[in-house]
Amino acid sequence: KAGVTQTPRYLIKTRGQQVTLSCSPISGHRSVSWYQQTPGQGLQFLFEYFSETQRNKGNFPGRFSGRQFSNSRSEMNVSTLELGDSALYLCASSPGSQGETQYFGPGTRLLVL
Amino acid sequence: DAKTTQPNSMESNEEEPVHLPCNHSTISGTDYIHWYRQLPSQGPEYVIHGLTSNVNNRMASLAIAEDRKSSTLILHRATLRDAAVYYCILRRNFGNEKLTFGTGTRLTIIP
Repeated sequence: KAGVTQTPRYLIKTRGQQVTLSCSPISGHRSVSWYQQTPGQGLQFLFEYFSETQRNKGNFPGRFSGRQFSNSRSEMNVSTLELGDSALYLCASSPGSQGETQYFGPGTRLLVL
Repeated sequence: DAKTTQPNSMESNEEEPVHLPCNHSTISGTDYIHWYRQLPSQGPEYVIHGLTSNVNNRMASLAIAEDRKSSTLILHRATLRDAAVYYCILRRNFGNEKLTFGTGTRLTIIP
Protein backbone atom coordinates (compact mmCIF):
# COMPACT_ATOMS: atom_id res chain seq x y z
CA LYS A 1 0.00 0.00 0.00
CA ALA A 2 1.17 3.51 -0.70
CA GLY A 3 1.79 5.61 2.37
CA VAL A 4 0.33 8.95 3.32
CA THR A 5 1.22 11.61 0.77
CA GLN A 6 1.26 15.35 1.28
CA THR A 7 1.52 18.10 -1.28
CA PRO A 8 3.28 20.36 -1.71
CA ARG A 9 6.36 19.37 0.27
CA TYR A 10 7.68 22.91 0.54
CA LEU A 11 5.95 26.24 0.31
CA ILE A 12 6.92 29.87 0.74
CA LYS A 13 4.26 32.50 1.36
CA THR A 14 4.15 36.07 2.59
CA ARG A 15 2.25 37.47 5.54
CA GLY A 16 -1.43 38.02 4.88
CA GLN A 17 -1.69 35.39 2.17
CA GLN A 18 -3.59 32.17 2.53
CA VAL A 19 -2.42 28.62 1.87
CA THR A 20 -4.01 25.25 1.20
CA LEU A 21 -2.22 21.99 1.98
CA SER A 22 -3.33 18.60 0.76
CA CYS A 23 -3.16 15.13 2.28
CA SER A 24 -3.99 11.77 0.69
CA PRO A 25 -4.43 9.04 3.31
CA ILE A 26 -3.55 5.39 2.99
CA SER A 27 -6.14 3.60 0.87
CA GLY A 28 -9.03 2.48 3.03
CA HIS A 29 -8.27 4.86 5.88
CA ARG A 30 -11.17 7.11 6.79
CA SER A 31 -9.62 9.27 9.50
CA VAL A 32 -7.22 12.11 8.74
CA SER A 33 -5.56 14.22 11.42
CA TRP A 34 -3.42 17.32 11.05
CA TYR A 35 -0.55 18.44 13.27
CA GLN A 36 1.69 21.49 13.37
CA GLN A 37 5.34 21.09 14.37
CA THR A 38 7.50 24.04 15.37
CA PRO A 39 10.80 24.18 17.27
CA GLY A 40 9.17 26.14 20.08
CA GLN A 41 5.86 24.32 20.55
CA GLY A 42 6.71 20.86 19.26
CA LEU A 43 4.00 18.71 17.72
CA GLN A 44 0.51 20.06 18.27
CA PHE A 45 -2.81 18.60 17.17
CA LEU A 46 -4.86 20.78 14.83
CA PHE A 47 -7.95 18.74 13.96
CA GLU A 48 -9.21 15.35 12.86
CA TYR A 49 -11.69 14.46 10.14
CA PHE A 50 -13.64 11.24 9.77
CA SER A 51 -16.16 10.57 7.03
CA GLU A 52 -16.08 14.22 5.92
CA THR A 53 -16.89 15.49 9.42
CA GLN A 54 -14.59 17.22 11.86
CA ARG A 55 -14.49 14.88 14.83
CA ASN A 56 -12.03 16.73 17.06
CA LYS A 57 -10.29 20.08 17.12
CA GLY A 58 -7.18 21.38 18.81
CA ASN A 59 -6.58 24.79 20.30
CA PHE A 60 -5.81 26.85 17.20
CA PRO A 61 -7.42 30.08 15.95
CA GLY A 62 -10.18 30.04 13.37
CA ARG A 63 -7.69 30.98 10.64
CA PHE A 64 -6.86 27.27 10.57
CA SER A 65 -9.54 25.20 8.91
CA GLY A 66 -9.85 21.93 7.10
CA ARG A 67 -12.14 19.67 5.21
CA GLN A 68 -12.34 16.10 4.04
CA PHE A 69 -13.68 14.81 0.77
CA SER A 70 -15.72 11.70 0.07
CA ASN A 71 -12.57 9.83 -1.00
CA SER A 72 -11.04 10.64 2.43
CA ARG A 73 -8.50 13.08 1.01
CA SER A 74 -8.17 16.12 3.20
CA GLU A 75 -7.10 19.71 2.84
CA MET A 76 -6.20 22.25 5.46
CA ASN A 77 -6.30 25.97 4.90
CA VAL A 78 -4.60 28.77 6.76
CA SER A 79 -5.85 32.27 6.05
CA THR A 80 -4.16 35.59 6.77
CA LEU A 81 -0.78 33.98 7.31
CA GLU A 82 1.44 35.18 10.15
CA LEU A 83 5.17 34.72 10.58
CA GLY A 84 4.46 32.31 13.44
CA ASP A 85 2.63 29.96 11.09
CA SER A 86 5.98 28.88 9.66
CA ALA A 87 6.11 25.22 10.55
CA LEU A 88 6.08 21.64 9.38
CA TYR A 89 2.48 20.55 8.84
CA LEU A 90 1.97 16.84 9.23
CA CYS A 91 -0.95 14.73 8.22
CA ALA A 92 -1.73 11.33 9.70
CA SER A 93 -4.28 8.72 8.69
CA SER A 94 -5.82 5.73 10.40
CA PRO A 95 -8.63 3.31 9.61
CA GLY A 96 -10.96 5.32 11.82
CA SER A 97 -11.85 2.99 14.65
CA GLN A 98 -10.57 5.06 17.51
CA GLY A 99 -7.30 4.29 19.17
CA GLU A 100 -5.65 2.72 16.15
CA THR A 101 -2.13 3.40 14.92
CA GLN A 102 -1.63 6.70 13.17
CA TYR A 103 0.42 6.71 9.96
CA PHE A 104 2.13 10.00 9.23
CA GLY A 105 3.08 11.60 5.95
CA PRO A 106 6.39 13.39 5.36
CA GLY A 107 4.87 16.80 5.99
CA THR A 108 4.65 20.13 4.21
CA ARG A 109 7.20 22.69 5.28
CA LEU A 110 5.68 26.17 5.18
CA LEU A 111 7.78 29.29 5.41
CA VAL A 112 6.01 32.61 5.89
CA LEU A 113 8.04 35.70 5.05
CA ASP B 1 -4.68 14.02 28.63
CA ALA B 2 -2.38 12.51 31.23
CA LYS B 3 1.19 13.77 31.05
CA THR B 4 4.39 11.85 30.35
CA THR B 5 7.94 12.76 31.36
CA GLN B 6 10.98 11.71 29.36
CA PRO B 7 14.66 12.66 29.46
CA ASN B 8 15.49 15.29 26.86
CA SER B 9 18.34 13.32 25.35
CA MET B 10 20.23 10.04 25.55
CA GLU B 11 23.25 8.56 23.86
CA SER B 12 24.03 4.95 23.13
CA ASN B 13 26.73 3.03 21.34
CA GLU B 14 25.90 1.28 18.12
CA GLU B 15 24.92 -2.39 18.43
CA GLU B 16 24.21 -2.07 22.15
CA PRO B 17 20.77 -2.19 23.80
CA VAL B 18 19.02 1.09 24.57
CA HIS B 19 16.52 1.62 27.37
CA LEU B 20 14.37 4.72 26.96
CA PRO B 21 12.39 5.56 30.12
CA CYS B 22 9.02 7.26 30.44
CA ASN B 23 7.20 8.33 33.59
CA HIS B 24 3.42 8.63 33.59
CA SER B 25 2.38 8.78 37.23
CA THR B 26 -1.14 10.09 36.47
CA ILE B 27 -2.02 7.31 34.03
CA SER B 28 -5.60 6.10 34.21
CA GLY B 29 -6.81 2.54 33.89
CA THR B 30 -7.99 3.06 30.33
CA ASP B 31 -4.79 4.69 29.02
CA TYR B 32 -2.66 2.75 26.60
CA ILE B 33 1.06 3.54 26.43
CA HIS B 34 2.14 4.31 22.87
CA TRP B 35 5.59 5.02 21.50
CA TYR B 36 6.28 6.85 18.27
CA ARG B 37 9.58 8.01 16.88
CA GLN B 38 10.52 10.72 14.44
CA LEU B 39 13.58 10.26 12.29
CA PRO B 40 15.27 13.35 10.88
CA SER B 41 13.23 15.05 8.15
CA GLN B 42 10.38 12.55 8.44
CA GLY B 43 6.96 12.35 10.03
CA PRO B 44 6.55 10.35 13.23
CA GLU B 45 6.20 6.59 12.94
CA TYR B 46 4.55 4.10 15.27
CA VAL B 47 6.88 1.90 17.29
CA ILE B 48 4.87 -0.08 19.83
CA HIS B 49 2.06 0.15 22.36
CA GLY B 50 0.77 -1.72 25.39
CA LEU B 51 -1.68 -1.61 28.28
CA THR B 52 -0.42 -3.74 31.15
CA SER B 53 1.73 -6.58 29.92
CA ASN B 54 5.14 -6.29 28.32
CA VAL B 55 5.01 -6.25 24.52
CA ASN B 56 7.43 -7.22 21.79
CA ASN B 57 7.47 -6.55 18.08
CA ARG B 58 10.06 -6.52 15.33
CA MET B 59 11.15 -2.99 16.17
CA ALA B 60 11.32 -2.96 19.94
CA SER B 61 10.08 -4.19 23.31
CA LEU B 62 7.95 -2.31 25.80
CA ALA B 63 8.36 -3.02 29.49
CA ILE B 64 5.53 -1.67 31.67
CA ALA B 65 5.91 -1.32 35.44
CA GLU B 66 3.50 -3.27 37.57
CA ASP B 67 1.83 -0.08 38.85
CA ARG B 68 1.83 1.30 35.26
CA LYS B 69 3.34 4.58 36.40
CA SER B 70 6.37 4.12 34.21
CA SER B 71 7.49 2.22 31.14
CA THR B 72 10.65 1.57 29.19
CA LEU B 73 11.12 1.24 25.46
CA ILE B 74 13.89 -1.20 24.69
CA LEU B 75 15.81 -1.26 21.43
CA HIS B 76 17.70 -4.52 21.61
CA ARG B 77 20.55 -3.63 19.30
CA ALA B 78 20.71 0.00 18.29
CA THR B 79 21.80 0.96 14.81
CA LEU B 80 22.59 4.36 13.36
CA ARG B 81 19.13 4.32 11.75
CA ASP B 82 17.57 4.33 15.22
CA ALA B 83 18.78 7.89 15.84
CA ALA B 84 15.53 9.79 16.29
CA VAL B 85 13.28 11.59 18.75
CA TYR B 86 11.23 9.05 20.69
CA TYR B 87 7.83 10.06 22.05
CA CYS B 88 5.96 8.29 24.83
CA ILE B 89 2.22 9.02 24.57
CA LEU B 90 -0.76 8.01 26.70
CA ARG B 91 -3.84 7.32 24.71
CA ARG B 92 -7.34 6.04 25.42
CA ASN B 93 -8.87 3.59 23.01
CA PHE B 94 -11.97 5.67 22.75
CA GLY B 95 -12.77 9.32 22.39
CA ASN B 96 -10.74 10.52 19.45
CA GLU B 97 -7.67 10.03 17.31
CA LYS B 98 -5.68 12.86 18.86
CA LEU B 99 -2.08 12.16 19.85
CA THR B 100 -0.66 14.47 22.52
CA PHE B 101 3.07 14.67 21.95
CA GLY B 102 5.48 15.77 24.68
CA THR B 103 9.02 16.89 24.04
CA GLY B 104 10.33 13.35 23.61
CA THR B 105 13.84 11.95 24.00
CA ARG B 106 16.42 12.67 21.34
CA LEU B 107 18.45 9.48 20.93
CA THR B 108 21.95 9.76 19.52
CA ILE B 109 23.74 6.62 18.38
CA ILE B 110 27.51 6.67 18.59
CA PRO B 111 29.26 4.61 15.90
